[in-house]
Amino acid sequence: KNEVEQSPQNLTAQEGEFITINCSYSVGISALHWLQQHPGGGIVSLFMLSSGKKKHGRLIATINIQEKHSSLHITASHPRDSAVYICAVSPTDKLIFGTGTRLQVFP
Amino acid sequence: DAGVIQSPRHEVTEMGQEVTLRCKPISGHDYLFWYRQTMMRGLELLIYFNNNVPIDDSGMPEDRFSAKMPNASFSTLKIQPSEPRDSAVYFCASSPLRNTEAFFGQGTRLTVV
Repeated sequence: KNEVEQSPQNLTAQEGEFITINCSYSVGISALHWLQQHPGGGIVSLFMLSSGKKKHGRLIATINIQEKHSSLHITASHPRDSAVYICAVSPTDKLIFGTGTRLQVFP
Repeated sequence: DAGVIQSPRHEVTEMGQEVTLRCKPISGHDYLFWYRQTMMRGLELLIYFNNNVPIDDSGMPEDRFSAKMPNASFSTLKIQPSEPRDSAVYFCASSPLRNTEAFFGQGTRLTVV
């Protein structure tokens, strides 16, 4: 069993829809990261959180340490949000990655 | 700062050749990470450095892989000899402190034929 599990693996949405991507992990962590990777592009860090909730524009990330679960929400989704979203946890200095969620938002 | 800079962006080489990937981390960042991304295995940590010292190289797949960080502004990942199964995108990332946000380079897409 992977230490970091994401769901769903693939997600399609219509522009404007509210999107949720889930991440569950099985190890003790000091922080959880949400990353975004566009096709053919580099990786960008969206959030790093260790408790509660963070918001940046239309993106919201939450974490429940007791349940070892995090969610990434996108409000009013847009085609430019189409990307792979990767959850990663850091039990120590290094990151352990989930397999990613491929999101496609259609106009 | 220009961010983490990797070179080359693309590399095509023949099996058996030596390949060297380069990374310039963000100035002042104490941590440098080398990752590999493949369709089959996703993102995997290969090795990371703290203050130029290798801390964990347990992800380096074989002795064919080696990494160095001779100073705070430069690191290399070398594969010798290269094999087709080494084809992947290799990312370098740096972070300022322990357990802080990581900044990724654009990656090097390696194809070994």
